[in-house]
Amino acid sequence: ILNVEQSPQSLHVQEGDSTNFTCSFPSSNFYALHWYRWETAKSPEALFVMTLNGDEKKKGRISATLNTKEGYSYLYIKGSQPEDSATYLCAFWNNNDMRFGAGTRLTVKP
Amino acid sequence: NAGVTQTPKFQVLKTGQSMTLQCAQDMNHNSMYWYRQDPGMGLRLIYYSASEGTTDKGEVPNGYNVSRLNKREFSLRLESAAPSQTSVYFCASRRGLVENYEQYFGPGTRLTVT
Repeated sequence: ILNVEQSPQSLHVQEGDSTNFTCSFPSSNFYALHWYRWETAKSPEALFVMTLNGDEKKKGRISATLNTKEGYSYLYIKGSQPEDSATYLCAFWNNNDMRFGAGTRLTVKP
Repeated sequence: NAGVTQTPKFQVLKTGQSMTLQCAQDMNHNSMYWYRQDPGMGLRLIYYSASEGTTDKGEVPNGYNVSRLNKREFSLRLESAAPSQTSVYFCASRRGLVENYEQYFGPGTRLTVT
């Protein structure tokens, strides 16, 4: 059984704060790690796809790092804004399908 | 370009009733997926179709059947609905079974079984 764990489960921050959360995944047979952003009443949308140990990806104020040897990825948001409020999902590519974590629900208060 | 579409958006069934959830994509993707999303559990894979003409079980296939009707359409059938199948169902597609392809999701179907 492949377990993808995300922490924390939920997070409340003030506008302007920087924040980060974690995705843990099996370190053996690694193929790829995906991050998705899921706003309420919408569908998940892809943020990053990471395949190499040490990968670092950035999109605006959001960035992610990957450590395949120890099996974790961090997602960072710099200077959080209310529009960053969403659930952030990570997913581990398992040969033919993806196994998703339960997500970190971020709320940014104005 | 609508992406991934699903019908219906909402459905209420009684225990034992059957229904089919429809999914279609217009991105010429080879692979399609059905997930269910339950509180605190994330997205769990029910079935997937790597390419037209093939289907495979995912993590939680019991109580479901699927049909890959053509390259565009992938349906999910509940033959005899049970309260445990109350969930939000998402269809997704991707270009193919390559690890760095992004997955695109439909808007979801909220199903309640009473």
